[in-house]
Amino acid sequence: AQKITQTQPGMFVQEKEAVTLDCTYDTSDQSYGLFWYKQPSSGEMIFLIYQGSYDEQNATEGRYSLNFQKARKSANLVISASQLGDSAMYFCAMREVRGGADGLTFGKGTHLIIQP
Amino acid sequence: DTAVSQTPKYLVTQMGNDKSIKCEQNLGHDTMYWYKQDSKKFLKIMFSYNNKELIINETVPNRFSPKSPDKAHLNLHINSLELGDSAVYFCASSQVDRAYEQYFGPGTRLTVT
Repeated sequence: AQKITQTQPGMFVQEKEAVTLDCTYDTSDQSYGLFWYKQPSSGEMIFLIYQGSYDEQNATEGRYSLNFQKARKSANLVISASQLGDSAMYFCAMREVRGGADGLTFGKGTHLIIQP
Repeated sequence: DTAVSQTPKYLVTQMGNDKSIKCEQNLGHDTMYWYKQDSKKFLKIMFSYNNKELIINETVPNRFSPKSPDKAHLNLHINSLELGDSAVYFCASSQVDRAYEQYFGPGTRLTVT
């Protein structure tokens, strides 16, 4: 079973609109972390935002916010006022502690295209 | 200054060859990782090293071997390369008590012909 599910393979959004990228996860751990990364066409992986499972407030970083709904096991990324430069692949990922080191499990990604 | 660097950026080689990809981080982190991104953009963790100890090995063929000469380096050696090894390989690093901040290298695109 997939641990991270991103149901939107691709999205087209008009510039300046808000965008919500969906992510659901599956874990039996009580302590875990949820991440979003951006991968532009140039290929690098850019860290956007992090939400800890015990954090009561939704994480925010500039135009990015994470809509964390623990009971539903969802961690959607919201981008406000989208810009052309937001066009990229977006990956949701989860950290589960295994033996003291923390690797990330990634979803399959959403290809976001911002249209002028 | 580059935080996590990888060399080479591109690597084209023939089946059966042995190759290495180098990774260095100058962030003082104590944990380093290797991820593989396939042609469908799916990212999967391969290894992590914490204080020179291999912590995670996710059903990766034993043709792949990580080697960490020191805390700042985690190199990836691949023996007897196969066509299916073609992918982008990312190195990453983090501090064990701040593992939510994983910094990725620029990636190495390996093409096996």
